[in-house]
Amino acid sequence: EAGVTQFPSHSVIEKGQTVTLRCDPISGHDNLYWYRRVMGKEIKFLLHFVKESKQDESGMPNNRFLAERTGGTYSTLKVQPAELEDSGVYFCASSQDSGSTYGYTFGSGTRLTVV
Amino acid sequence: AQSVSQHNHHVILSEAASLELGCNYSYGGTVNLFWYVQYPGQHLQLLLKYFSGDPLVKGIKGFEAEFIKSKFSFNLRKPSVQWSDTAEYFCAVNQGSGTYKYIFGTGTRLKVLA
Repeated sequence: EAGVTQFPSHSVIEKGQTVTLRCDPISGHDNLYWYRRVMGKEIKFLLHFVKESKQDESGMPNNRFLAERTGGTYSTLKVQPAELEDSGVYFCASSQDSGSTYGYTFGSGTRLTVV
Repeated sequence: AQSVSQHNHHVILSEAASLELGCNYSYGGTVNLFWYVQYPGQHLQLLLKYFSGDPLVKGIKGFEAEFIKSKFSFNLRKPSVQWSDTAEYFCAVNQGSGTYKYIFGTGTRLKVLA
């Protein structure tokens, strides 16, 4: 089966600009997650979709981050305006169940650099 | 707050050496435990998982991990590493079945010298 696809793989933007990251989960996976890893630190949960609904967005850092999942398929994560501390690798993952039993399938991540 | 500690940030080994990566978590309830690996240029992949039963879990590529509840630990082991095991390894925890949020450790970069 096709894996979780994220693009772009790399993005370099200036502070104050807007960036949109995209994630295409595995077909049929209702659960979609966004995680972020800031340089050298742990991978942190951002939010969780079930189909098109946000189940938990408790990890979103602030209101500059907006996640959507159109029609329960692909998801976008927009950062507007970007700040230096937003730099990091943004991972998307999907799963059939909650992920607790079978684990997630991760994408390769988007490396975001804000300069 | 719940947390996961990986004490070894960087490990360098020669081929055929034995590997043990430490993972400790702080949460007193039921947990599911995972080890993920990220090879250079690739996505995170599940190595192995524990949610109940035998505390010694075997995963892919000859890896195993032992859950010791009394020590809140889930250390990853491999008896003999290969150059192809060079990667970053992440321990992760979530709170039992039905939940979804993972708490990850900071990762351990393993370099295996040929």
